Amino acid sequence: GQQLNQSPQSMFIQEGEDVSMNCTSSSIFNTWLWYKQDPGEGPVLLIALYKAGELTSNGRLTAQFGITRKDSFLNISASIPSDVGIYFCAGQLGSNYQLIWGAGTKLIIKP
Amino acid sequence: NAGVMQNPRHLVRRRGQEARLRCSPMKGHSHVYWYRQLPEEGLKFMVYLQKENIIDESGMPKERFSAEFPKEGPSILRIQQVVRGDSAAYFCASSPPRARGTEAFFGQGTRLTVV
Repeated sequence: GQQLNQSPQSMFIQEGEDVSMNCTSSSIFNTWLWYKQDPGEGPVLLIALYKAGELTSNGRLTAQFGITRKDSFLNISASIPSDVGIYFCAGQLGSNYQLIWGAGTKLIIKP
Repeated sequence: NAGVMQNPRHLVRRRGQEARLRCSPMKGHSHVYWYRQLPEEGLKFMVYLQKENIIDESGMPKERFSAEFPKEGPSILRIQQVVRGDSAAYFCASSPPRARGTEAFFGQGTRLTVV
């Protein structure tokens, strides 16, 4: 089946640091999405990208839809404690409404 | 406007019992999607329903699993004769008519534990 490779698997950072994570695929996606999931909760959409090359920001978060349409990255600037959680990328192929999900990047902020 | 409501939040079943998971979509949403999440993994698509119709159940196991979204009431994901491997978090998402699946909002999930 389709796969998204998301990296890194986990990150230990200091508060205030910038964070970067990415997803790659062998398939071309029409849409890239970035979600955050807190423990015991459902995923919450952070950023949606619909065009190759698109760069979109949401507060301290910035995400880009790769030119090849096979990758995307998410940056978080000046991390704060509430940023901890698991970040997922998800992609949509063509007009298919199904989302293909990465395995997640667990963000942990060192005290 | 309440979000997507799933219940129960936690469900424990013995092997061989039935599990019924309920999802009430957001007001005005007529599309429902069910996903399964195993620990340390992303979500896996199971089924997409509109009112009284199953649109795509390609991600759902052929046996023991069924889903419905009646004209009135919540969407139900039913798992018969549960086995240990069914233990997972099950998430429901909903979207309004004519929306792309990307515009779906997720519920808090039901965590099923089979003992």
